[in-house]
Amino acid sequence: DAGVIQSPRHEVTEMGQEVTLRCKPISGHNSLFWYRQTMMRGLELLIYFNNNVPIDDSGMPEDRFSAKMPNASFSTLKIQPSEPRDSAVYFCASSFWDTIYFGEGSWLTVV
Amino acid sequence: AQTVTQSQPEMSVQEAETVTLSCTYDTSENNYYLFWYKQPPSRQMILVIRQEAYKQQNATENRFSVNFQKAAKSFSLKISDSQLGDTAMYFCAFILTTSGTYKYIFGTGTRLKVLA
Repeated sequence: DAGVIQSPRHEVTEMGQEVTLRCKPISGHNSLFWYRQTMMRGLELLIYFNNNVPIDDSGMPEDRFSAKMPNASFSTLKIQPSEPRDSAVYFCASSFWDTIYFGEGSWLTVV
Repeated sequence: AQTVTQSQPEMSVQEAETVTLSCTYDTSENNYYLFWYKQPPSRQMILVIRQEAYKQQNATENRFSVNFQKAAKSFSLKISDSQLGDTAMYFCAFILTTSGTYKYIFGTGTRLKVLA
C-alpha cells in the first residue's frame, strides 16, 4: 500500500492567504485524523473523522480552521485566513482498527 | 482523565548499548492498545511497536521490546544494540476503544540521541 499521502509537503505563504492541505488515507481505512505539531504545543489532535463523518473537532483552534472529508479517499484541512502562529507541521493519519498510520506531514510556514 | 506521561524529555546512549524509555499512562478503561512511535529528523511518524492491553506477553520487534506492566500502567520501550539511526523523538501512545470509535492519546515525547 502507498501509505497516507499528504500534499503539499512544504508550503510557504503570506499572512492572510488561504491554505489548503490535502490528504489521501490508506485504502480501506475508515478513520482519518488531522494533527498539528509545534515545538511549543507538541502533537495536537485537530479533528477526527470516522466513516467520513467528523466525530471530534474539539481540537480545531478557531473558526479559521475547517476540515472536510467528502469521500473515503480524500480529506482537506483549510486555514483561512492564515496567520504566522499557524506555522507548524500538519499530519494526516488514518486507521482501520487500532493502529494509526501517519503521512509524512505538510510543513507550513506563514510569513 | 486519560493521560500519557513521558518523564524523560531527553536521553542519550552510546552506540551498541541498551536504553530504556519510560512511559506511564492513566485510564480507567480496560480495553486499549499501546504504541511507541519514532519520529526521526525527517519528521515522519513511524510505528515502532504495538501492544494489546489484554495480552500479558510483552511485544518485541527485532531490537525493540516493551515492558508492559498493566497494574502499574507502565509501558517502557527497550532498544537493544542502539544504532545511530535510532536517533529520534519517541512518542508513547495509547488508544481507547469506545462504542466503535477510537481516541488516541500521545505523550510529549522523549528525544533520544545515539552517540558514536
